[in-house]
Amino acid sequence: KNEVEQSPQNLTAQEGEFITINCSYSVGISALHWLQQHPGGGIVSLFMLSSGKKKHGRLIATINIQEKHSSLHITASHPRDSAVYICAPSSSNSGYALNFGKGTSLLVTP
Amino acid sequence: EPEVTQTPSHQVTQMGQEVILRCVPISNHLYFYWYRQILGQKVEFLVSFYNNEISEKSEIFDDQFSVERPDGSNFTLKIRSTKLEDSAMYFCASSEMGGYNEQFFGPGTRLTVL
Repeated sequence: KNEVEQSPQNLTAQEGEFITINCSYSVGISALHWLQQHPGGGIVSLFMLSSGKKKHGRLIATINIQEKHSSLHITASHPRDSAVYICAPSSSNSGYALNFGKGTSLLVTP
Repeated sequence: EPEVTQTPSHQVTQMGQEVILRCVPISNHLYFYWYRQILGQKVEFLVSFYNNEISEKSEIFDDQFSVERPDGSNFTLKIRSTKLEDSAMYFCASSEMGGYNEQFFGPGTRLTVL
């Protein structure tokens, strides 16, 4: 079974700060997904990556396949970024199901 | 923009009753998934479905659960005899293909078993 560890579990930042959330997993994967879960419960896919780096607006995701590690960065954080950020590897061995981490709860204060 | 829809948004049922949760995936997607999230816990995978059959299921997806794609648009999760511990938010998701595509999630159905 792929063990997924995220750090930190909780994070409070001031508006404008640069934020990093880390994810480690134990078993080789097909892809790594980053998702955002809003306070109301809805889940939104942010990134799906299998190598290198992706950028979308103020969000950047990187992955190191050899080290089994991924990071999500938020530049110039804003209170509307407050949410739970979840790392979820997937593998062809498990029908591409997402194996969700416990998430990082982010609060950005004005 | 296409989206995954789920009905109902909230279902309350008595223990032992059968419930059917409904999902309409994005129309050109081929892979379908059910996940659940018990309050305060992480999201857990239940089952994936492709080409009209289950492609993978978790230990949670025991004999009381079943999935079906009864027509070209709906994807359903049936729980035959609900237990208190089935109370959770159930999310449906779909993706265009399998591993190298994003999964798009519905808004969820909150199931409360009394």
